[in-house]
Amino acid sequence: DGGITQSPKYLFRKEGQNVTLSCEQNLNHDAMYWYRQDPGQGLRLIYYSQIVNDFQKGDIAEGYSVSREKKESFPLTVTSAQKNPTAFYLCASGSRQGGSPLHFGNGTRLTVT
Amino acid sequence: AQSVTQLDSQVPVFEEAPVELRCNYSSSVSVYLFWYVQYPNQGLQLLLKYLSGSTLVKGINGFEAEFNKSQTSFHLRKPSVHISDTAEYFCAVSRPNDYKLSFGAGTTVTVRA
Repeated sequence: DGGITQSPKYLFRKEGQNVTLSCEQNLNHDAMYWYRQDPGQGLRLIYYSQIVNDFQKGDIAEGYSVSREKKESFPLTVTSAQKNPTAFYLCASGSRQGGSPLHFGNGTRLTVT
Repeated sequence: AQSVTQLDSQVPVFEEAPVELRCNYSSSVSVYLFWYVQYPNQGLQLLLKYLSGSTLVKGINGFEAEFNKSQTSFHLRKPSVHISDTAEYFCAVSRPNDYKLSFGAGTTVTVRA
């Protein structure tokens, strides 16, 4: 089955630690995205990548970093510089065609204490 | 840039009653429009999309939406809801030359027996 796999589903970290969230897709999509979801705020774009070895900042990139070394993988690192890291993180992928829908993973819920 | 406003944050509805979720967008150019559904602790699933053509779009699970260019709206409807329709619903927009999506804040639908 084609799809997007995010792991782990739940993640707990102490304040001050960096943490990396995994996202893998086997849909052969060029574009991949990371969104952050907070109650009542919808989805906010953190980073996106249109092609391997290239990525751009979204609306709330501060305190986050990404890499895109393989087409299938787009890991997100939440650094200690992110002031409010506790959230639900969603990874998505899509083709680079206008009008193409995004396909989403099932998310990672990160709790930082 | 385009933006999306979902006019209702919460919509309670009785089982077998109709429901309408309102979405307005702002954009200086033509847009593509999407509705997604999110069940608790899961990713988003595409319900339907409007790219061009007929303004009435039918989606999965008995949902439909109507594109109204003059009102800049894309409201989602279902004539008779089930308990299983309890979820959060997101309206999203993209431009033809840009495949990134902008999401509304979401509408939580709670279906009661």
